Parts: sequence; C-alpha cells; structure tokens
Amino acid sequence: EDQVTQSPEALRLQEGESSSLNCSYTVSGLRGLFWYRQDPGKGPEFLFTLYSAGEEKEKERLKATLTKKESFLHITAPKPEDSATYLCAVLDYGQNFVFGPGTRLSVLP
Amino acid sequence: DAGVTQSPTHLIKTRGQQVTLRCSPKSGHDTVSWYQQALGQGPQFIFQYYEEEERQRGNFPDRFSGHQFPNYSSELNVNALLLGDSALYLCASSSHPPAGNTGELFFGEGSRLTVL
Repeated sequence: EDQVTQSPEALRLQEGESSSLNCSYTVSGLRGLFWYRQDPGKGPEFLFTLYSAGEEKEKERLKATLTKKESFLHITAPKPEDSATYLCAVLDYGQNFVFGPGTRLSVLP
Repeated sequence: DAGVTQSPTHLIKTRGQQVTLRCSPKSGHDTVSWYQQALGQGPQFIFQYYEEEERQRGNFPDRFSGHQFPNYSSELNVNALLLGDSALYLCASSSHPPAGNTGELFFGEGSRLTVL
C-alpha cells in the first residue's frame, strides 16, 4: 500500500527566512510525485509534477526536488502570501493517487 | 473557462440522513474523482468515474456511492450519515488517464458537510 508522510507538520517562518518541506513516500512503482498548495477553505491548487529521481522544478520562490525515497519543497525568501498548507501526493502505475497529510506553513511579516 | 464547480458549498445534516453532492468538471475533462478531507488531514480518495462508470475505489464503505452523467458531471451520495462523515468533500477533474499527461488534478472548492 502506498504511503506518504510529510514533515514538519507545521512550520512558522519569518518573511525572508528560507526553509524546506519534506515528503517521504513508499510506492509500488512511482508514476509521478505532485505538490499542491491549499489555502484555508479552498481546494488544492496544483504546483509541480516530478517524474524521476534528480528532477527539479521551479516556480517563483518554490523549487521542488525528487530522490528515490523523498521529495523536498524549498522555499526561498518566503513572503506572507506563501502561507498555506502544502500537500504532497504520489501516483503509482495502478492509477492510485495518494496524498500526504500536508505541512501548514505560516510566514510572518 | 469555468473551472471545477461544486454544490452546495456548505450543508448541515443529522445522523442517519442522506446527502447528495454535485460536481461539474473543468471544460475538456472527462474524469472525475471524489476526495474526503477531514480537518487537518490530507484528502482521502473515495472513488473515480470515467465513461459513467466507477473505475477505482478507495477504502470507503458502500454508504458512499456515486454517478457520472453523459455531460461528465458527477454526484456523490452518502447514506446513513455518521458524525465521522463531517468533512470537506472535494471533486477533482482531469482528462483520462486519471491525472492526464501532467499529473495535474483540478480541484473544486469543496462542499463542507457537517453532521450533527
């Protein structure tokens, strides 16, 4: 059974203080790993797809990386508007799409 | 271009009642998946519909059922509601296969169900 864990559960940063979120996974054949952002009371919003170890994707202050067992979401010089829950999910070749519990990020001005 | 729309946005039911939630997928999408998200947790997969058939199902009891219509819209039905069914119910659309070529799911804003 596919499993996804995320750490830390919650993270508070000062504006401009860079950090990383972790997503660890066990999956029977990884077809893709995905990062989503979720604002309170809203549905998740797609950020990145990573397909193979060593792959990196960037979008504004966010960079996602992938190894064979985990993925990191690096946040460089965050702003208060980056505050949200960041969800990691995996898709296996059986078409099973499994989300992790998320990391709640708060960026203080 | 309308995104994924869900209705109702909020509803309150009592234990034992039945509820129907509705979803219209993003234009051009033919696959709809439903997720349950309890407070402080990640979304949990309920089931997926494609070509009006349930194609995959997560670990949810038979009280949870669904339907997809010829226009690709979908309904989620929950019978005999329990207090533990209180959650945000999310609909996600994509083109077939389940996550399309990019792995991107488009989510609606959800239906917040409270069971008293």
